Amino acid sequence: GDSVTQMEGPVTLSEEAFLTINCTYTATGYPSLFWYVQYPGEGLQLLLKATKADDKGSNKGFEATYRKETTSFHLEKGSVQVSDSAVYFCALGHTDKLIFGTGTRLQVFP
Amino acid sequence: DTAVSQTPKYLVTQMGNDKSIKCEQNLGHDTMYWYKQDSKKFLKIMFSYNNKELIINETVPNRFSPKSPDKAHLNLHINSLELGDSAVYFCASSQEAQGSNYGYTFGSGTRLTVV
Repeated sequence: GDSVTQMEGPVTLSEEAFLTINCTYTATGYPSLFWYVQYPGEGLQLLLKATKADDKGSNKGFEATYRKETTSFHLEKGSVQVSDSAVYFCALGHTDKLIFGTGTRLQVFP
Repeated sequence: DTAVSQTPKYLVTQMGNDKSIKCEQNLGHDTMYWYKQDSKKFLKIMFSYNNKELIINETVPNRFSPKSPDKAHLNLHINSLELGDSAVYFCASSQEAQGSNYGYTFGSGTRLTVV
């Protein structure tokens, strides 16, 4: 069945470092792809999305490009801040539900 | 105004008790969901309702019973609580037929601890 695989965390970075969190998927058809962020003690917030191949989603300095040929949707940010520390979830839209990856914890230190 | 609100935020209860978690959305969405997040942060869908009709019922013990009195509310009732039910439960909503294309709006979660 459809699934999402994310890199295991935690990812530990210094402030202003470059961030990549890898996400690959297995799906029939062409699902929409999402990144959600969960700050400590809070619910999930939609960070960005892409609905078709080669689309780039972007928000708050984060970007991800829908790559059909590599079935990937890697999350990137050029310069992380301490306030970006959170758990990041990659997800795909499967007919009537979202399927989530296992989440990647990002810790950014000053 | 909170778009998707859940109550209570925290729930501590003893094994064997029955408890309910309430969820309300004011977005005018047609579809609502319950997800369970375990201690390792893994998220798994439990149920979804579209306009008060059950659409998704994943492999969940029948001690869990969702109830949707109207399309703005989806409550979760849990009978005979067990230690393994301890988790964070998230409610979410989406426009019908668009949730898998455009994403969901999540509530802030209910942390259930069974002792």
